Amino acid sequence: GAVVSQHPSRVICKSGTSVKIECRSLDFQATTMFWYRQFPKQSLMLMATSNEGSKATYEQGVEKDKFLINHASLTLSTLTVTSAHPEDSSFYICSASNRDYQPQHFGDGTRLSIL
Amino acid sequence: AQKITQTQPGMFVQEKEAVTLDCTYDTSDPSYGLFWYKQPSSGEMIFLIYQGSYDQQNATEGRYSLNFQKARKSANLVISASQLGDSAMYFCAMREVMYSGGGADGLTFGKGTHLIIQP
Repeated sequence: GAVVSQHPSRVICKSGTSVKIECRSLDFQATTMFWYRQFPKQSLMLMATSNEGSKATYEQGVEKDKFLINHASLTLSTLTVTSAHPEDSSFYICSASNRDYQPQHFGDGTRLSIL
Repeated sequence: AQKITQTQPGMFVQEKEAVTLDCTYDTSDPSYGLFWYKQPSSGEMIFLIYQGSYDQQNATEGRYSLNFQKARKSANLVISASQLGDSAMYFCAMREVMYSGGGADGLTFGKGTHLIIQP
């Protein structure tokens, strides 16, 4: 079945560091990928929709200058958390779908801890 | 108002029993999709089952079935013959189609149900 790979799985870094997270669709082309954030014991919240070859669409309340998204190819989207602070510590997870209206397949997520 | 409501924050079930996880949704979009995902403690999101708003029959996938009652806007997940490995968080999610322009759109998740299967 469709597989989505996310890297790294865990990041621990100092406040002020920028962190890049990669999301790859391994066996299908994804014109659209999605980035979610999940705080402990909470649900997943959609942050942004990553569109290949165009600007990402951000959900209300998500700072686009803080969370930079690049979708340069049909198999790769990256999320960069710029100048991360402790409040950015969370579980970030991406998803992709190989066709419209089909179930989204998720990466394994990235646990980001900012000290 | 919440678009996806899961009223059971936690459930304890005996192994081999069937379990029903509740999910109600709110949308005025005539075309939508409903999903259930399992999230073990390791964090990955595992797709379980999908129901489209126009599907005539309830979806089934192995031990998972979806009790879709469109008029009541409910999409309960039924797990038959529960196993210890079923212990996890379970999330109900929805994707609305019309408001997205007909293309791919992100999912709206419920708060989840923490299911614990006891031996």
